[in-house]
Amino acid sequence: SQQGEEDPQALSIQEGENATMNCSYKTSINNLQWYRQNSGRGLVHLILIRSNEREKHSGRLRVTLDTSKKSSSLLITASRAADTASYFCATDAATSGTYKYIFGTGTRLKVLA
Amino acid sequence: DGGITQSPKYLFRKEGQNVTLSCEQNLNHDAMYWYRQDPGQGLRLIYYSQIVNDFQKGDIAEGYSVSREKKESFPLTVTSAQKNPTAFYLCASSIGNEAFFGQGTRLTVV
Repeated sequence: SQQGEEDPQALSIQEGENATMNCSYKTSINNLQWYRQNSGRGLVHLILIRSNEREKHSGRLRVTLDTSKKSSSLLITASRAADTASYFCATDAATSGTYKYIFGTGTRLKVLA
Repeated sequence: DGGITQSPKYLFRKEGQNVTLSCEQNLNHDAMYWYRQDPGQGLRLIYYSQIVNDFQKGDIAEGYSVSREKKESFPLTVTSAQKNPTAFYLCASSIGNEAFFGQGTRLTVV
């Protein structure tokens, strides 16, 4: 079952602009994570936000979590061409009892130089 | 990346053949996972293992099999029963909340 759904599916912006992508999920979670995937490569962990946190920052990344709406957003500020990649949210369902990650469908970000 | 090695990077299989994808990690992680990714799609969980000699089916286990005889290794066999095996396969391991991924194996049925 697909737990997370990202939107938009694709996003194209100019270098220097901010990029915002959203993730919605269905069940209660322990935490939510964002990953990045360059074309044809593995995923790289970006940031984790716990269910009792509302906002978290890491460099140019800002993640918010609204557990009442079961949604999260990832903001990349001052985007660069090197940020071009697909971005996925992943959730660890609270009831699973295991670290079983469920990934969303991803947002493909293209940053134009 | 992150001490997870998948091999081979590209794999071609004839219809009706079984094929095994390798995943090795030197991170001393207990948990390991196999995901399938289709073009333009997200990741779907095939199998996962929380500890040696134990594994559980994910959302799309049919046509796949795994073993976990060693902590470091979690090979995935794509059997002839898998009707549409052409995909990008990703292995991951984790300790705590963060998963570390290999670089993937692209399997093509010819």
